[in-house]
Amino acid sequence: DSGVTQTPKHLITATGQRVTLRCSPRSGDLSVYWYQQSLDQGLQFLIQYYNGEERAKGNILERFSAQQFPDLHSELNLSSLELGDSALYFCASSPGGTGTDTQYFGPGTRLTVL
Amino acid sequence: KNEVEQSPQNLTAQEGEFITINCSYSVGISALHWLQQHPGGGIVSLFMLSSGKKKHGRLIATINIQEKHSSLHITASHPRDSAVYICAVPLSNFGNEKLTFGTGTRLTIIP
Repeated sequence: DSGVTQTPKHLITATGQRVTLRCSPRSGDLSVYWYQQSLDQGLQFLIQYYNGEERAKGNILERFSAQQFPDLHSELNLSSLELGDSALYFCASSPGGTGTDTQYFGPGTRLTVL
Repeated sequence: KNEVEQSPQNLTAQEGEFITINCSYSVGISALHWLQQHPGGGIVSLFMLSSGKKKHGRLIATINIQEKHSSLHITASHPRDSAVYICAVPLSNFGNEKLTFGTGTRLTIIP
């Protein structure tokens, strides 16, 4: 158990809908990262927050947004969902926010868009 | 060309064999991460290394910064080692670093 929690574990929804994925980092970790893993793309970095502020952005679509709250939990919002958004979404946390920090991954949310 | 390349893509071996998985990257980096993804999907961080060699149990990771290459070795492999092994490097993005992942090596250990 990494100490990172994600909810829900599974989500099935329809095209055009909006969903929110939630992540609680390990106690004491200030950084939260969001990743998407699809069958054809592998793991892709979406966005990083550090202590409530956006730190780095990857290939995140405009339909997707995220935030980190004062209690350090984070939410990833996906809107106008398309079939291609079906994927595993992981969040990870680390104490600091640099590339040399070990990241601890949550169990993931499996999103299926029908 | 991907910035992070792994080989082989798939590897099947008998229990007890010595396993080597390779990762090469194309730019200068501050560190390299090895991750393990279990068949159920969960991801565990195995190593973060910036030079030399690290060992944890039967797992050994090495990195050669000059050659831009890292290897993950598993000694006395066991069926429970069956998983996807992924290397990742932090690449600079406007001054911040984001992890870029290799495509993974699917390892299957046969009893």
